[in-house]
Amino acid sequence: AQTVTQSQPEMSVQEAETVTLSCTYDTSESNYYLFWYKQPPSRQMILVIRQEAYKQQNATENRFSVNFQKAAKSFSLKISDSQLGDTAMYFCAFMKRFDYGGSQGNLIFGKGTKLSVKP
Amino acid sequence: ETGVTQSPTHLIKTRGQQVTLRCSSQSGHNTVSWYQQALGQGPQFIFQYYREEENGRGNFPPRFSGLQFPNYSSELNVNALELDDSALYLCASSWRTGDNYNEQFFGPGTRLTVL
Repeated sequence: AQTVTQSQPEMSVQEAETVTLSCTYDTSESNYYLFWYKQPPSRQMILVIRQEAYKQQNATENRFSVNFQKAAKSFSLKISDSQLGDTAMYFCAFMKRFDYGGSQGNLIFGKGTKLSVKP
Repeated sequence: ETGVTQSPTHLIKTRGQQVTLRCSSQSGHNTVSWYQQALGQGPQFIFQYYREEENGRGNFPPRFSGLQFPNYSSELNVNALELDDSALYLCASSWRTGDNYNEQFFGPGTRLTVL
C-alpha cells in the first residue's frame, strides 16, 4: 500500500519570500504520478503541479517548482515570490500509473500543510 | 465550460439516518471519484464510477454506495449514518481514456454533519 507523509502541519512565510513544503511517500511501484494540490479556505481543491515519476526533470509551473528525489521518495514544493493568495492548505498526493499510460483512479493524499503568507 | 458542482453545500443529519449527495461532472468528463475529508485530514478515496459502474473502491464499508447516471453525474449514498461520517465530501471528475493521464477536477464539496 502507498502512503504519503507531510511532516509540516503548518508553515508561514512573508510575502515575496520563498518557502518549501516537504513530502515523502512510500511505494513499491516504479511507475506513478505525484501531485501538489492547493485547497484555499473556499474549499475547492486545485491542482498546482504534477510530476511523472519516469521523468527525471523536475516540474515547474510559474512560481511553483518541485524537487523530486525518486530514490529518497521525496517530493517537495517550492513556492517563489509568495503571494497572499497562496495562503491555503497544500496536499501532496500519489497516483499509480499503469504501464500502458493510463492511471489508477484514486489519489492518495497526505494530511496537508497549512501555509500562511503574511503581508 | 461548466466546472464540477455539488449539492447541497451543507447538510445536517442525525445518527442512523440516510443521506444522498449529488455531483455534476465537468462538461465532457465520463468519470467521477468521491473522497471523504475529515476535519484536519487529507481526502480519502471512497470509490470511482466510470461508465455507470463502480471502478475501484477504497476502505469504506458497504453502507457507502453510489450511482452514476448516463449524463455522468453521480450520487453518493450513505446509510445508517455514524458520528464519524461527519466530513467534507468531495467529488472529482475526469476524462478517462486508456492512453492518457486523467487529471481530476474537484468540486467545492458538501459539508455533512452527523449529530
